[in-house]
Amino acid sequence: GESVGLHLPTLSVQEGDNSIINCAYSNSASDYFIWYKQESGKGPQFIIDIRSNMDKRQGQRVTVLLNKTVKHLSLQIAATQPGDSAVYFCAELWNQGGKLIFGQGTELSVKP
Amino acid sequence: SQTIHQWPATLVQPVGSPLSLECTVEGTSNPNLYWYRQAAGRGLQLLFYSVGIGQISSEVPQNLSASRPQDRQFILSSKKLLLSDSGFYLCAWQPGGVGAFFGQGTRLTVV
Repeated sequence: GESVGLHLPTLSVQEGDNSIINCAYSNSASDYFIWYKQESGKGPQFIIDIRSNMDKRQGQRVTVLLNKTVKHLSLQIAATQPGDSAVYFCAELWNQGGKLIFGQGTELSVKP
Repeated sequence: SQTIHQWPATLVQPVGSPLSLECTVEGTSNPNLYWYRQAAGRGLQLLFYSVGIGQISSEVPQNLSASRPQDRQFILSSKKLLLSDSGFYLCAWQPGGVGAFFGQGTRLTVV
């Protein structure tokens, strides 16, 4: 199918711990992936992206890992903070036609 | 710099009334443009996307249509709204290869 599915719909972590959010994508032809953070009532905010010719990319406190063999994507957040509480989505861009498909989302809750 | 404008932020419309939501992008040319709908507590459903003027791809058969009359303008329309059209509508643009960026969304309530 076209959808990008997530393994965990909710994730609760303690402040200061690391968070890992997973995503399985379905289209082996996708060549570009993006993670978004969405706070209540707002549009999704770009966090980090990765191209299919890479398997890891790091940003500030975030790391995205891509495993093309099993079509799996993950977002790692280091030292999770209360401000990280939000819904996180992965998205895949099909390399033909520009279609950008989102997964279901994972709600991250950070406990102080 | 590039910016995206989407309006209105909230809208309450009666069943059977028409709809027109507009999205414009500044500071770029020939972007990919997208319309998504999001139900409360759910994911983003791709409704339409466009890779150029007059080129519209529809993802889900429904009561809505989209048009791209200008390079940086994307319009979502309906002739007669249904209750099921309620939701959070999001416009996004993709500059061709790097990132995809969203407007602030329109909360549509059909009553």
